[in-house]
Amino acid sequence: KQEVTQIPAALSVPEGENLVLNCSFTDSAIYNLQWFRQDPGKGLTSLLLIQSSQREQTSGRLNASLDKSSGRSTLYIAASQPGDSATYLCAVRSDDKIIFGKGTRLHILP
Amino acid sequence: ETGVTQTPRHLVMGMTNKKSLKCEQHLGHNAMYWYKQSAKKPLELMFVYNFKEQTENNSVPSRFSPECPNSSHLFLHLHTLQPEDSALYLCASKIGNTEAFFGQGTRLTVV
Repeated sequence: KQEVTQIPAALSVPEGENLVLNCSFTDSAIYNLQWFRQDPGKGLTSLLLIQSSQREQTSGRLNASLDKSSGRSTLYIAASQPGDSATYLCAVRSDDKIIFGKGTRLHILP
Repeated sequence: ETGVTQTPRHLVMGMTNKKSLKCEQHLGHNAMYWYKQSAKKPLELMFVYNFKEQTENNSVPSRFSPECPNSSHLFLHLHTLQPEDSALYLCASKIGNTEAFFGQGTRLTVV
């Protein structure tokens, strides 16, 4: 059974710092991995999708990497801003299922 | 806007009521999902539909009844719910191996 773990559960950093969020999964037989952001009480916004054959994807200040064999992904956020404050969720697709971690709650201090 | 629309956004219902949640997408996606998000828990996958056929039921109680009349619409029929069913219910859709898009969710409160 696929399990997804995100570390840390919560993170507070001063504005301007670079940071890394971690995601690990137990079954390496995945089709892809997707990073989302969720603001309080809202739905999920897709940030980056990495196919199982890819190593990384970049969008603006965000860079996501994937090491499928070791079951790990990282989301790197450069030059953090207060608007980046949200919960970041990692999800892996196995067969028809998309399985989520519990998320990392990020707070950027002005 | 993700292109996935959920209605209603908020719903309060009594334990003896019957209500339905609706999800709609016109993105040409063929797979649709229902998730439950409770406080301090990861998103829980409830149901998966592919080309209108249910391919996954994650041991969901029968008081939740999904319906997928076509690839663009997904419903979740609710009856005799319990207070612990109060949560944010999220719908998602995708096609093939592309990214999944989520709706804004329905905040359900069972009283």
